[in-house]
Amino acid sequence: SQTIHQWPATLVQPVGSPLSLECTVEGTSNPNLYWYRQAAGRGLQLLFYSVGIGQISSEVPQNLSASRPQDRQFILSSKKLLLSDSGFYLCAWSYGIEAFFGQGTRLTVV
Amino acid sequence: AQSVSQHNHHVILSEAASLELGCNYSYGGTVNLFWYVQYPGQHLQLLLKYFSGDPLVKGIKGFEAEFIKSKFSFNLRKPSVQWSDTAEYFCAVYDGGSQGNLIFGKGTKLSVKP
Repeated sequence: SQTIHQWPATLVQPVGSPLSLECTVEGTSNPNLYWYRQAAGRGLQLLFYSVGIGQISSEVPQNLSASRPQDRQFILSSKKLLLSDSGFYLCAWSYGIEAFFGQGTRLTVV
Repeated sequence: AQSVSQHNHHVILSEAASLELGCNYSYGGTVNLFWYVQYPGQHLQLLLKYFSGDPLVKGIKGFEAEFIKSKFSFNLRKPSVQWSDTAEYFCAVYDGGSQGNLIFGKGTKLSVKP
């Protein structure tokens, strides 16, 4: 069966520090991969999606970037975090229409 | 751009009350519709989905949703809520194609008083 791993679960980082959140999927190949952010009162916002290795599409301009170095690995990064980057970040995968979500990372930028 | 609107930000009900959470979408093409639920401290889980066929969809835990194409709506219902239904509920639409995206509403927080 397919599983999705996302880590870390919680993270507290100072403003201006770098960020790297990792997501890996097991049990499937060539999935579509997504990064969402859930900010308080704003629901789930699609940040990036990827349909294959090295293929990244950004939905909103921001301080973050994403990379897909391997088929089942999706990384969310920032060179310098801002206070506004705080939120709950969710990785998801889909093969077709239905999406499956990781446990999420609670990022607090202080 | 496609969008999903959930009209209620926070709904508070007593146990055994009936529930209806509104969801409207803007995409005019063929849509696939979902309701996801996030229980406190847990990850997002699929509650139910509509792809085609019977517009009244049954999901887990007694939930159902009705797709009304003319109203661009996919409202979630449950006849009698329980305290364990306390969670945040997200409506989502898949906007088509193998490279389409899942667009979410802002979510509705449901609090059920015992």
